[in-house]
Amino acid sequence: GESVGLHLPTLSVQEGDNSIINCAYSNSASDYFIWYKQESGKGPQFIIDIRSNMDKRQGQRVTVLLNKTVKHLSLQIAATQPGDSAVYFCAEIFNNAGNMLTFGGGTRLMVKP
Amino acid sequence: ETGVTQSPTHLIKTRGQQVTLRCSSQSGHNTVSWYQQALGQGPQFIFQYYREEENGRGNFPPRFSGLQFPNYSSELNVNALELDDSALYLCASSGPGTLGETQYFGPGTRLLVL
Repeated sequence: GESVGLHLPTLSVQEGDNSIINCAYSNSASDYFIWYKQESGKGPQFIIDIRSNMDKRQGQRVTVLLNKTVKHLSLQIAATQPGDSAVYFCAEIFNNAGNMLTFGGGTRLMVKP
Repeated sequence: ETGVTQSPTHLIKTRGQQVTLRCSSQSGHNTVSWYQQALGQGPQFIFQYYREEENGRGNFPPRFSGLQFPNYSSELNVNALELDDSALYLCASSGPGTLGETQYFGPGTRLLVL
């Protein structure tokens, strides 16, 4: 079936460096993509989203890039901080599938002080 | 904080029992989705309710059922609990009814089935 996956299960970065978390998706008809951050014992927290008619969107310290040609999504975090340590999920929505989110398995980001 | 609340926070049940989990959506949101998150995995979609009607269902058996109330709060009911039902159950609200709106998650209910 259609799925969203991540290339790296664990990413370790030095505090202050930039982080890049990657995601491959398989449903070329997906309309909407979201990055979530999940800290231990908490629900996923919305970070940033992007619609399929865009290729880049910027937020505060975060940028999402969408490459529809190769079905690739990435989350860039600038000046990574210890508070960024968490598991990051990308998720996609294919609206004809009833607006359900399809999540990948997640990437754990570890920030070293 | 997303404004989405869930109760209880933790729950322990035994195999064969039934459980009801509750979710209050963010103010102004009329769509509630439920997800199951097993340890170390991403959330899996169970079903979604929009204006009190089921609006999509994932690959879960009928013993997983739901309800949405006029105030848009929601319940997830699981009958005949199995050990594999042990997971974090998340609800997410979105709205005001447009497909593709961002879903905001509650903190989850951690269910342990013994």
